[in-house]
Amino acid sequence: DAGVIQSPRHEVTEMGQEVTLRCKPISGHNSLFWYRQTMMRGLELLIYFNNNVPIDDSGMPEDRFSAKMPNASFSTLKIQPSEPRDSAVYFCATTTAPDSPLHFGNGTRLTVT
Amino acid sequence: SQQGEEDPQALSIQEGENATMNCSYKTSINNLQWYRQNSGRGLVHLILIRSNEREKHSGRLRVTLDTSKKSSSLLITASRAADTASYFCATEPQGGSEKLVFGKGTKLTVNP
Repeated sequence: DAGVIQSPRHEVTEMGQEVTLRCKPISGHNSLFWYRQTMMRGLELLIYFNNNVPIDDSGMPEDRFSAKMPNASFSTLKIQPSEPRDSAVYFCATTTAPDSPLHFGNGTRLTVT
Repeated sequence: SQQGEEDPQALSIQEGENATMNCSYKTSINNLQWYRQNSGRGLVHLILIRSNEREKHSGRLRVTLDTSKKSSSLLITASRAADTASYFCATEPQGGSEKLVFGKGTKLTVNP
């Protein structure tokens, strides 16, 4: 298993553009999490899915953010329209069972100019 | 909002010395986990300690948990330059939620 795979690794875009971040979780996972990391705020949980169903999206900052998990092998986080304050590293992470560790991808570094 | 808060924010030591990082949290938990993050990479799980456990070891790592004080510590013994990274504690609150809440981390530098 190659682990959690995120793409792209880096994304630079202009304010107002749509951004789509992608995540391929490890096989056999049951929950998938999207986190955002900045120097000021640290790691913030945006949303998580259990068995492909969104369970808690209370961390999604605004309606500009949306996430989907159409199947067990793929999830997307979309920002439309993007703003400079969205610049951060976005991580996808998965677990294989409750009360078990998170497996993180290497993140997508997003820069919005 | 952060549940776990690490202390110190930054720590610089010499190779061979021990490094101790502390974590405090606010609410009752199911478990507490420590993660490591190298620059430009994702977090890597180090150790998980459950609320009914008091101490756990893994190689050069030793984690303690004091639920009465709502605190945990991570000890790295005989540190190496390769241990240079940021270390985060994360708590899984009681109540069935799988949400892990992370602190802001301790940046550890081990000088050769």
